Amino acid sequence: GQSLEQPSEVTAVEGAIVQINCTYQTSGFYGLSWYQQHDGGAPTFLSYNALDGLEETGRFSSFLSRSDSYGYLLLQELQMKDSASYFCAVSNQAGTALIFGKGTTLSVSS
Amino acid sequence: DGGITQSPKYLFRKEGQNVTLSCEQNLNHDAMYWYRQDPGQGLRLIYYSQIVNDFQKGDIAEGYSVSREKKESFPLTVTSAQKNPTAFYLCASSIVAYGESIQYFGAGTRLSVL
Repeated sequence: GQSLEQPSEVTAVEGAIVQINCTYQTSGFYGLSWYQQHDGGAPTFLSYNALDGLEETGRFSSFLSRSDSYGYLLLQELQMKDSASYFCAVSNQAGTALIFGKGTTLSVSS
Repeated sequence: DGGITQSPKYLFRKEGQNVTLSCEQNLNHDAMYWYRQDPGQGLRLIYYSQIVNDFQKGDIAEGYSVSREKKESFPLTVTSAQKNPTAFYLCASSIVAYGESIQYFGAGTRLSVL
């Protein structure tokens, strides 16, 4: 079967750093994506990793270890507007649509 | 502006009724997708289409039907066979249906049963 595991909730304060982990088990693997969704809104793309290592995009970074079937999203200098749900998603080599995790709800407080 | 338009934003279904959710994109993307989102369940794939006049079932296709007669349009019909249709439905599109392609989402349709 195919599955992705990520924590259901994470809390942090403004200015802090938070890491959201994602472990996956899929029949094929092409890359790991991260999407952000504010309450009631549309998911938006944040980052993509196909190779091992760290990808940095402003305050957000994403990491992948293919050998460990593991990745994480790192959010730095947290702001209140970062309060949202974050989903990891896997592309498999068969060329089908993304498989999404259940999402992690991040709450940022002042 | 380029993007994905879903309509209506809210939809109510009566018992035994079929309803159709609209999804239109002007991004010239080949691939389009329908997802269902329930609280705490993430996004689950209903159907996807890689090219006009072709589509494949996703993980939860039972009780749903789609068509892809035009590149820019991918309507989803929730049939009376879908016994628990209350959910948030999201349409997405991407340049290609695999690999590094980014999926762009519409604002969603919230379906409820009367």
